[in-house]
Amino acid sequence: RKEVEQDPGPFNVPEGATVAFNCTYSNSASQSFFWYRQDCRKEPKLLMSVYSSGNEDGRFTAQLNRASQYISLLIRDSKLSDSATYLCVVNRRDSGYALNFGKGTSLLVTP
Amino acid sequence: NAGVMQNPRHLVRRRGQEARLRCSPMKGHSHVYWYRQLPEEGLKFMVYLQKENIIDESGMPKERFSAEFPKEGPSILRIQQVVRGDSAAYFCASSPEQENYGYTFGSGTRLTVV
Repeated sequence: RKEVEQDPGPFNVPEGATVAFNCTYSNSASQSFFWYRQDCRKEPKLLMSVYSSGNEDGRFTAQLNRASQYISLLIRDSKLSDSATYLCVVNRRDSGYALNFGKGTSLLVTP
Repeated sequence: NAGVMQNPRHLVRRRGQEARLRCSPMKGHSHVYWYRQLPEEGLKFMVYLQKENIIDESGMPKERFSAEFPKEGPSILRIQQVVRGDSAAYFCASSPEQENYGYTFGSGTRLTVV
């Protein structure tokens, strides 16, 4: 089983739609969870951390289910500028701050 | 406060040559991480370093690849005797000590082996 698994998509949605991405991770001892965004051929950028209680940042909501080892990202009122690849990220086993990245889910928001 | 600085942005090497990729972490950051991204693939962890120490190199290929983060100067990822399969984007990230709020990445070095 891969350490971090995501549906690669692509997800094609119209502007204004709500879209959700899911991710599963294999290391039950993981403590740190993030969503990153990567635009084509650019560096990944931190979108938000994911907390056990769930957290929201504007149009973005992240949820963590430790029992199922499952993370989600919800984007409301999609904008054209949200088109990107969304990376699910979990800290590596026994390696403190080093992180494992999923392969990403591609989102295309269309007019 | 400058971000993570990587250079060069683009590097072309012939098969068999050496490639040296440099990474200067953000000011105040003492942890450096190197990742490789092959075309159409995800980011693969390579190595995690602190000043003068390799903490985790479990993602580094066994041969030809090495990394260092000296007391002074940038972190260096060195690839000896490059092959076509080494062509990829190499990203460096840094984080502060004793925090895990995610990394900041540099813009990457795109290595092309011809």
